[in-house]
Amino acid sequence: GENVEQHPSTLSVQEGDSAVIKCTYSDSASNYFPWYKQELGKRPQLIIDIRSNVGEKKDQRIAVTLNKTAKHFSLHITETQPEDSAVYFCAATLKGLTGGGNKLTFGTGTQLKVEL
Amino acid sequence: NAGVTQTPKFRVLKTGQSMTLLCAQDMNHEYMYWYRQDPGMGLRLIHYSVGEGTTAKGEVPDGYNVSRLKKQNFLLGLESAAPSQTSVYFCASSPPPGHPYGYTFGSGTRLTVV
Repeated sequence: GENVEQHPSTLSVQEGDSAVIKCTYSDSASNYFPWYKQELGKRPQLIIDIRSNVGEKKDQRIAVTLNKTAKHFSLHITETQPEDSAVYFCAATLKGLTGGGNKLTFGTGTQLKVEL
Repeated sequence: NAGVTQTPKFRVLKTGQSMTLLCAQDMNHEYMYWYRQDPGMGLRLIHYSVGEGTTAKGEVPDGYNVSRLKKQNFLLGLESAAPSQTSVYFCASSPPPGHPYGYTFGSGTRLTVV
């Protein structure tokens, strides 16, 4: 099955700096890679995703890059703000497999702290 | 439109007791999932369902059972709770392949087994 590794486990940045979180996956068939943000005591919420036919996707201060050859993808947050402090999870799945359930395999999470 | 609703939100069980966690979704999603979240381990899939009347094992199914008698409900059962099942449990649902993809999570159930 799929295995997703995520680094770093904790990340502390100064407000206004950039933050980068990296993930690697094992199954070359995976084709959908979402990122979730989870604030303390809350449910995970999708912040951005990328499909395997795209190398980069941006949404305001958030971007995700995908290197299919190396089987890794990264989350980039620019101009970080205190409200970006949360746990971020990457995930991978083979989307579109009928009956497969689109099961997401999650990384172990990155605790991001944005300091004033 | 409530999305995905989990009950209860908190529960304390004694070792050996049983309980059922309920997940209900009103989005007409075909697929439903149960994950557990433990510190430093991310979210791990327990069981999932691709439609009414179907269930399948995920990554960590031991000690749990599930049922999907109605499309909108997915129940997670613990027959004999163990301290190792202390965790936060999240239910999620998603549409089937071919539809705009998206997982919707419930708000979670914090379970403590003493």
